[in-house]
Amino acid sequence: ELKVEQNPLFLSMQEGKNYTIYCNYSTTSDRLYWYRQDPGKSLESLFVLLSNGAVKQEGRLMASLDTKARLSTLHITAAVHDLSATYFCAAANTGTASKLTFGTGTRLQVTL
Amino acid sequence: DTAVSQTPKYLVTQMGNDKSIKCEQNLGHDTMYWYKQDSKKFLKIMFSYNNKELIINETVPNRFSPKSPDKAHLNLHINSLELGDSAVYFCASSQNQLLAPLHFGNGTRLTVT
Repeated sequence: ELKVEQNPLFLSMQEGKNYTIYCNYSTTSDRLYWYRQDPGKSLESLFVLLSNGAVKQEGRLMASLDTKARLSTLHITAAVHDLSATYFCAAANTGTASKLTFGTGTRLQVTL
Repeated sequence: DTAVSQTPKYLVTQMGNDKSIKCEQNLGHDTMYWYKQDSKKFLKIMFSYNNKELIINETVPNRFSPKSPDKAHLNLHINSLELGDSAVYFCASSQNQLLAPLHFGNGTRLTVT
C-alpha cells in the first residue's frame, strides 16, 4: 500500500528566508502532486511532476521529483506572509493513477 | 463560473439521521471523487467514478453510498450518521484517471451531534 509522508508537519518561517518541505513515498509512483489549502478552504493544485528529475517553479515555490529516492521537495524562496497555508503532496499508485494518496500536510506559518 | 460545486457547505445533524451531499462539475471531466478530511487534516479517498462507473471503493462503511446520475454529478448519501462521520467531505474531479490534477470543491463540513 502506498504511503506518503511529509516533514515537517509544521514550519514557522521568517519572512525573507528559504525553507524546504520534504515528501517521501513508500512504493513506486510515477507522478507527484503538490496542493495548497488555506484555512477553511478548498485545495488548489500547485504542481504536477511526472518524471524523474522534473522541476517546476511558480513564483517563490519550486517543486522537484526524484523517483529513485521516492522523494519530492517543495522549496520556498524568500518566504512571504501570503505563503502561509497547509501544503499537501500526493502520489499516485502506478497503474491506478486515479487514486491519489495524500501526505499528512505541512502547515506553514510565515512570521515577520 | 464555479468549477466544482458542492452543497451544502455546512451540515449539522444528529446521530442516526440520513443526509446527502451533492456535487456537480462543469469542467467536462470524466472522473469524479469523494475525499474525507478528518480533524487532523488527513485526506483519504472514499470513492471514484469514471463516466458514471464506480472505479474506486475504499474501505468505507456501507452506510456511505455514492451515486452518479451522469458524469457531471456525484452525490454522497450517508445513512445512520455516527459521531465519527464528522469531517469535511471534498468532492473533486479530473479530466481523466491518469495525468490530470484533481480540482476540488469547497468542501462540506459535516458535524454529527
